[in-house]
Amino acid sequence: DGGITQSPKYLFRKEGQNVTLSCEQNLNHDAMYWYRQDPGQGLRLIYYSQIVNDFQKGDIAEGYSVSREKKESFPLTVTSAQKNPTAFYLCASRKGISTDTQYFGPGTRLTVL
Amino acid sequence: KQEVTQIPAALSVPEGENLVLNCSFTDSAIYNLQWFRQDPGKGLTSLLLIQSSQREQTSGRLNASLDKSSGRSTLYIAASQPGDSATYLCAVANYGGSQGNLIFGKGTKLSVKP
Repeated sequence: DGGITQSPKYLFRKEGQNVTLSCEQNLNHDAMYWYRQDPGQGLRLIYYSQIVNDFQKGDIAEGYSVSREKKESFPLTVTSAQKNPTAFYLCASRKGISTDTQYFGPGTRLTVL
Repeated sequence: KQEVTQIPAALSVPEGENLVLNCSFTDSAIYNLQWFRQDPGKGLTSLLLIQSSQREQTSGRLNASLDKSSGRSTLYIAASQPGDSATYLCAVANYGGSQGNLIFGKGTKLSVKP
């Protein structure tokens, strides 16, 4: 089955720790995205990548970092500099053309203890 | 800066009713507009994608319209069912430096009562 996988489904972090969220896709899509969703809010873009070894900051990149070493993978690290990281994180991918739809993974819920 | 607004924030209807969800956006320079469905604790599922040159798209009981000049879209759901209960999100893909990145509304939470 083609799709996007995110792991883990639930993640707990102690204050001061860095954690990495995994996102993998086998759709052969060029572009990948990370969003954050808070209760009652729409999605906000954290980082995106249009091509391997290149990525750009979205609207709320502070306290986050990413890498894009392989086309299939776009991991997100939530660093200790992110002051309020408790949220639902969604990864998405798109074929690469702006007129195409984005496909979303199942999400990772991060909770800071 | 593009802003997307969805009204109402929540809607409760009895099973079988036809209903309309509304989405408005402030900048008409868009590639397309998408409607997504999100179940609690889940990812987003794409329902309909309307390109900027199109006026509407249909899929089963769903019909989405786009009026780019007025910055409005509607999602029409016919003969609603309890399984339609979910949050519906509208998003636009902007022209320009954002490379078609999606700007989302906050969603409409729909509850269909049996």
